[in-house]
Order: sequence, then structure tokens, then C-alpha cells
Amino acid sequence: DQQVKQNSPSLSVQEGRISILNCDYTNSMFDYFLWYKKYPAEGPTFLISISSIKDKNEDGRFTVFLNKSAKHLSLHIVPSQPGDSAVYFCAASLPFSGNTPLVFGKGTRLSVIA
Amino acid sequence: EAQVTQNPRYLITVTGKKLTVTCSQNMNHEYMSWYRQDPGLGLRQIYYSMNVEVTDKGDVPEGYKVSRKEKRNFPLILESPSPNQTSLYFCASSYSGNGYNEQFFGPGTRLTVL
Repeated sequence: DQQVKQNSPSLSVQEGRISILNCDYTNSMFDYFLWYKKYPAEGPTFLISISSIKDKNEDGRFTVFLNKSAKHLSLHIVPSQPGDSAVYFCAASLPFSGNTPLVFGKGTRLSVIA
Repeated sequence: EAQVTQNPRYLITVTGKKLTVTCSQNMNHEYMSWYRQDPGLGLRQIYYSMNVEVTDKGDVPEGYKVSRKEKRNFPLILESPSPNQTSLYFCASSYSGNGYNEQFFGPGTRLTVL
């Protein structure tokens, strides 16, 4: 039973355009959501997060939107750059009590074409 | 530099030969965990530790052991490796100071069991 789903295994976008990566979750108790970016041969690195009390969080070219009623979040990258090509993981967390592991989606491979 | 280190980065071994993958963090984080990444399955948690001498199972603990004798170290032990443990392994750490579960990942250890 997968609690965090990224239904698109891959996405190709032209340089300069918007990239939209989607994530759905099933557990309404999740209260914190994160996006990680992973390059080959490296560990995942934290990109951006959002608390369940917000519906939008922006950091430079990256914006995460949260729709709690639909249990859906999305990551927007504008404008997309070739260096953004990586695997993006969506993750969710229950209220943090020290023993709450992140629950990850399977990832979406983004390719930004120059 | 704040970081999570893992050793070795690459390991090829044979079935049944005990091995240990080390993990160390220099951020004084209480919380550490191990994940494995497999194609099409994303990141799955193996074990986690809330603090020294406190460990618990994650989603896929079978065939693995861990210990947390010091705050900075969290080794992963495979007593009798099998080919289905061929995977990419990540160690991660986090702290509860801000109430949120942003985990910092190591660079990964690629393990092949023949």
C-alpha cells in the first residue's frame, strides 16, 4: 500500500519552460511534505518543503503547491534549466516525534532539453 | 562542512560473507536512518535510530542489523548477505530542533552481492 505516489516516472521539458512534477498521498495525517532532488552517484538533497498549514511555498525558481482536500502536491520549476535534470522524490512526514520516517514516492526523472 | 559520510561507496561481495557499511554525521543529529533505493521502488527505510542505543525497524528490515553506540555513527550490518540485498544504500540524519523532519543524506553505497 503506497502512501505517497508519483505517477509519472519521467518528464521531458524544454529549457526555459515550466516543469510540473506531481505527487499524491493517501494518509491525511501527513503534516509536512518535502521534495528531494537526486543526481546520479549522489545522495538525495533537500530542495523545498511545505507544512500542511500552508498551500504554497516559494524558493527562487521552485514553488510547491499543496491541495489538502485533494491530497495532492506539485513542484513547479520556472524556468527549467538543463542542470535541473535529475530524479525528484516527493516525501511526506507525520507530525515529527523523533521516530517518524519520511515516506517517499518512487521518483520522477526530469529531463530538461536545451 | 556539515555532512553525512558513508563507507565504502562501492562494494562487491559474495553471498554469506558478513559486511558492514559505516555511516557518520558531524551535525550532532539525534535521528539517523538507513534507506535502500531500488529501481521502480523509490527509497524504502530499513532501520532508524532516535538516539544512542535506541533503534527500531523501518519498512524493510529483514536481513539487516544496526547499532547506535555513539551519536555520530550508525553502521548497517549484513550478517549473511544475499543477492536480493543488491541495492543502493543511503544513510540519513536529522534533528528535531525545528519540529520538522528534513533529512540529510549521505552519498550512497552501491552494494552488489553475487
